[in-house]
Formats: sequence, C-alpha cells, structure tokens
Amino acid sequence: AQSVTQPDIHITVSEGASLELRCNYSYGATPYLFWYVQSPGQGLQLLLKYFSGDTLVQGIKGFEAEFKRSQSSFNLRKPSVHWSDAAEYFCAVTGANNLFFGTGTRLTVIP
Amino acid sequence: GAVVSQHPSWVICKSGTSVKIECRSLDFQATTMFWYRQFPKQSLMLMATSNEGSKATYEQGVEKDKFLINHASLTLSTLTVTSAHPEDSSFYICSAGRLAGGPGEQYFGPGTRLTVT
Repeated sequence: AQSVTQPDIHITVSEGASLELRCNYSYGATPYLFWYVQSPGQGLQLLLKYFSGDTLVQGIKGFEAEFKRSQSSFNLRKPSVHWSDAAEYFCAVTGANNLFFGTGTRLTVIP
Repeated sequence: GAVVSQHPSWVICKSGTSVKIECRSLDFQATTMFWYRQFPKQSLMLMATSNEGSKATYEQGVEKDKFLINHASLTLSTLTVTSAHPEDSSFYICSAGRLAGGPGEQYFGPGTRLTVT
C-alpha cells in the first residue's frame, strides 16, 4: 500500500538558515512525487514534482528536492529560508491520479 | 493559469441542516475533481473523485449519502454535506485535474471551513 511519512511535525529555523524537510514514501511501483506548500487560508501550491530523469529537481521559490530510490526518500531543501516561507509543507505520492499525502511539516521561521 | 476557487470560504450551520460547497475551475476544463477533508494538524484525506457527467467514486469509509457530490460541468463540482453534525466540522478542499494532465496533476482550491453548531 502507498504511504508517505513526514517524520518532522514542526521545524523552526532562523531566517537565512538552510532548510531540509524529510519525506519517506512507500509505493509498489515507480512513484511520482510532489511537494506542496499550504499557507493559512490558502490552497495547496505545488512547489515541485519528480516523475523521472534527474533525481535533483528544482522548484519554485528557490526550493529543490532530491529523489533517492535506495532510501525511498524525497527530501525538500532550501539553502536560505525567508520569513515568507513559514507555512505547512506536504509531501505526496501517486502512481496515476490519486495523491496520497503525508501528515505535513509546519515550518516556523525566526527573524 | 489553472486557478480553482471554492465558495464559501467558511460557513457555520446548525446541526441537522445541509450545506453546499462549490468548487470551480476558473480558466481550464476540469475533467476530474477531487474532494479532500483536512482535520487540524493532519493531512488531507481523499473523500471522493468525480468525473464530469458521471457518479463520484467514494473512498472507503466515506458515506456517499451524507456527502453528495455533483460534477455537472467541466468547471463546477459541488459537495453537499447533508444533515450536518458537529463531527462533520472540518476543512474541505477541492482540487481539479485537466484532461491530459500529468500523473497526479491537481490544482487546489483555497478550502472551505465548515463549522456545525
């Protein structure tokens, strides 16, 4: 069965510091992987996605993620966090249509 | 492009009444629409998937008679919570997929906060 685990419920970083949000997935076939961000009162916005090819994918807002098949991971990174990055981040996996989401990681940014 | 709206953004209703939530794709045709429910500090749980002109497919454990979904056109889907009870209070999010969209390609609405008193 497919599942997504985000081990960190809440992360706090200082503005300007680097960020890594962890995501592990379980999927029987080749997964399609996504990272979404949800700000209060707003819908989910797609940050980036991995389908195939280069395992390091670049997204919007300076985010990137690396697909590691051997570790079943798809961690999200950003070299320098901005205060506006404070939000809830969701990792998701699909094989075709339906998305399966992790429980999310809430990011707090300290000035 | 690919904007999805939801209306209302929040609603309060009394126990026993019904409430309808609309989901619209504003600038594209949504062949498939999805309805999710999100509990506080939890993930999005898929409730049902609907294709335009056909009956919705409900996930296991979701009461189809309670959560009525209609996907009458390529730009509009509605979720009606019938005989609402306080335990139905939640954040409901819709998303829409395009014809020939990529795997998992969905565009999300801003969500509707339902509070049942």
